[in-house]
Amino acid sequence: ELKVEQNPLFLSMQEGKNYTIYCNYSTTSDRLYWYRQDPGKSLESLFVLLSNGAVKQEGRLMASLDTKARLSTLHITAAVHDLSATYFCAGGLTPNTGNQFYFGTGTSLTVIP
Amino acid sequence: KAGVTQTPRYLIKTRGQQVTLSCSPISGHRSVSWYQQTPGQGLQFLFEYFSETQRNKGNFPGRFSGRQFSNSRSEMNVSTLELGDSALYLCASSSTGWGTEAFFGQGTRLTVV
Repeated sequence: ELKVEQNPLFLSMQEGKNYTIYCNYSTTSDRLYWYRQDPGKSLESLFVLLSNGAVKQEGRLMASLDTKARLSTLHITAAVHDLSATYFCAGGLTPNTGNQFYFGTGTSLTVIP
Repeated sequence: KAGVTQTPRYLIKTRGQQVTLSCSPISGHRSVSWYQQTPGQGLQFLFEYFSETQRNKGNFPGRFSGRQFSNSRSEMNVSTLELGDSALYLCASSSTGWGTEAFFGQGTRLTVV
């Protein structure tokens, strides 16, 4: 089983500030996903990271993967209110070939004007 | 492009009853995974179907079962409902399985009374 830990669990930040969410996982994972969930809504796919050193950026969000450290980060640049949501990371087991994801507990982000 | 469709969106059942939830994946996607989301346990993997075969199974009791049809639509069944089964049930669809993006449906909110 893959254990995925996110921190912080709760994050309150001011608009315009930068911050990073950390995702540590317990054993080898060959892929790491980031999702966003708004209250009462489903999960929206943000990033798929498949190799060591992978970095992906979309708008104010940038995700990276370090498989040796078993760490993925989601960096938020110049936060805006619209980014308020819960962010989840999820990993898949190696060498499992299916789509069995192990999710972190989520980071609830609130951006304050 | 149509997304992942789950029906029904909301369901209220009585303890001891059984329930069937449906998930229609994105056209062309052959992998369907099911997850249970609760405030206490977070997102937990139930099972995954690929080409009508169960490929992975999570740690849930045998009361939880599923199947996939030749058109990739999937159903999940929960028998002898318990209060603790109250949750948001999400399904995710992806094209070939490993490493591809998984798209989630809006979920079915099940309340057991």
